Amino acid sequence: QQQVKQSPQSLIVQKGGISIINCAYENTAFDYFPWYQQFPGKGPALLIAIRPDVSEKKEGRFTISFNKSAKQFSLHIMDSQPGDSATYFCAASMLTGANNLFFGTGTRLTVIP
Amino acid sequence: NAGVTQTPKFRILKIGQSMTLQCAQDMNHNYMYWYRQDPGMGLKLIYYSVGAGITDKGEVPNGYNVSRSTTEDFPLRLELAAPSQTSVYFCATTGTYSYEQYFGPGTRLTVT
Repeated sequence: QQQVKQSPQSLIVQKGGISIINCAYENTAFDYFPWYQQFPGKGPALLIAIRPDVSEKKEGRFTISFNKSAKQFSLHIMDSQPGDSATYFCAASMLTGANNLFFGTGTRLTVIP
Repeated sequence: NAGVTQTPKFRILKIGQSMTLQCAQDMNHNYMYWYRQDPGMGLKLIYYSVGAGITDKGEVPNGYNVSRSTTEDFPLRLELAAPSQTSVYFCATTGTYSYEQYFGPGTRLTVT
């Protein structure tokens, strides 16, 4: 059973456009929601993360929007660049304990010049 | 400071063979994790450890074993390789009071 559902599976965006990736979860015990970025042949790397006590977090061109009542969160990439082309994973965990991450299935983003 | 290192980078196994995937970290982190990544499936947790001598199962532990004798090393053992274990394996680590998991470069394993 997939604890975190992610969509779309793939996304093609023009340079300068906005990329939006959506995730949903069921377990209300989750209290940490990171996004990881993965380039081909590399391990995932933390991009940005949010706790459920805030509805939005912004770091540069990357923003997480969080809707606790709907159990949904999304990643927005503003002014998308070809260098943003990668696979993005949302995840969720419970910080009490071992912080085991439950990942979404990933979104392959391609930004075309 | 190498972070998280994994060896080998690639490996082809025959069905029924065994092997150990190595993971080492120089970040002095207590927590270590093993994930497998399959196309379209995301990453699934196999085993994790909260410190030397302590390990526990994740979502998909069947067919694997781990040990943690030191803070630095967390090897993953496949005893009887099966085609279903063809995957990319990632080791990760995090500090006790940190949220961010740092991933190694991965090991691509093919079982034929």
